[in-house]
Amino acid sequence: NAGVTQTPKFRVLKTGQSMTLLCAQDMNHEYMYWYRQDPGMGLRLIHYSVGEGTTAKGEVPDGYNVSRLKKQNFLLGLESAAPSQTSVYFCASNLRDRVTGELFFGEGSRLTVL
Amino acid sequence: AQSVTQLDSHVSVSEGTPVLLRCNYSSSYSPSLFWYVQHPNKGLQLLLKYTSAATLVKGINGFEAEFKKSETSFHLTKPSAHMSDAAEYFCVVSDRPGGGNKLTFGTGTQLKVEL
Repeated sequence: NAGVTQTPKFRVLKTGQSMTLLCAQDMNHEYMYWYRQDPGMGLRLIHYSVGEGTTAKGEVPDGYNVSRLKKQNFLLGLESAAPSQTSVYFCASNLRDRVTGELFFGEGSRLTVL
Repeated sequence: AQSVTQLDSHVSVSEGTPVLLRCNYSSSYSPSLFWYVQHPNKGLQLLLKYTSAATLVKGINGFEAEFKKSETSFHLTKPSAHMSDAAEYFCVVSDRPGGGNKLTFGTGTQLKVEL
């Protein structure tokens, strides 16, 4: 049972380039999230999805797009990367059951934009 | 609106001594509160959660936290620190029952454990 898997783990981009981060979960979770983590700022929600075919904006959505074509996958896209998007990106998922509220995290994707 | 404040960005303890990581929260409703741990180059892992049941919550690896509504606090404690506890700890609040999908993370407390 792999849990939440993120690819790639590391990437270096030049300003203006595009890329896609892939998140895959094998726990049949309905909810999936993309966060970014920056020093001294905790985790901030970029976008999230409450089910296949649905997405919604989080706290810091500008400059990012997402898609959830399959229940197990949640893609985060950067159309034109900027240095301010240098960060560590975490994908997370959880069940619709709101009693637990536990998020399951991937190991992160470290992105550097030059 | 909800918010969470972790009062210390860094805490250093000696192995075998108690650990206290402080967290205060603000919430418009009855909150759900969580502590997550992040070891270097890893994702976050749930330590424990409070969801309006017992106010003293026990988690993994000997950690526990007490929900104090009058003080709006949810401090994390452990009686005796171990070297493997060195990590970053995040306090998280949600004012939806069970957490839902609107979590607010604190800025983290880096715990250092010295011999």
